[in-house]
Amino acid sequence: GAGVSQSPSNKVTEKGKDVELRCDPISGHTALYWYRQRLGQGLEFLIYFQGNSAPDKSGLPSDRFSAERTGESVSTLTIQRTQQEDSAVYLCASSLVPGRETQYFGPGTRLLVL
Amino acid sequence: GIQVEQSPPDLILQEGANSTLRCNFSDSVNNLQWFHQNPWGQLINLFYIPSGTKQNGRLSATTVATERYSLLYISSSQTTDSGVYFCAVPTGGFKTIFGAGTRLFVKA
Repeated sequence: GAGVSQSPSNKVTEKGKDVELRCDPISGHTALYWYRQRLGQGLEFLIYFQGNSAPDKSGLPSDRFSAERTGESVSTLTIQRTQQEDSAVYLCASSLVPGRETQYFGPGTRLLVL
Repeated sequence: GIQVEQSPPDLILQEGANSTLRCNFSDSVNNLQWFHQNPWGQLINLFYIPSGTKQNGRLSATTVATERYSLLYISSSQTTDSGVYFCAVPTGGFKTIFGAGTRLFVKA
């Protein structure tokens, strides 16, 4: 009965470096979402995966951001050439059936770009 | 795209008081979720409520889809209710839009 897990919990990196964030959804959940939350603000949608369908990438802020998911399992969010404005908490969520079930969130990865 | 507005933006309550949080949305939706983000940042789903009323302990929620709003009621508030409350609706498929949240602080 594990929930959504994310790693690392915290990441400090230097401007210009690449980072990779990982999300393990709840087993059996077909839908997976990535969000970004800047300090004191709401959640910004980044990308959505549903099974083997083409992902909805409409929220990715620039071409430095990319994400992959293998089937209905682990997803990785990659940020290339990080900038200071990328500093935020990156949250992953999964749901059993998209659009008809609630989303369950992981604890997030806190990213600080120096 | 759809707009989601939450009110009030900030709320301070004395422990034991009741409150109502509101979420307005600009277009028809087929689902709506309420979440609580605790002071440690963890998001907990409270309700999946596309329409009607649901209750869970001291919390209840009502969505009136035809009038494009949802309400979250907190009764007999406790200090552990502190945090940020978000409502979220789908837009353009399964992309989800979150409101800016209501920041609640419950004083002991």
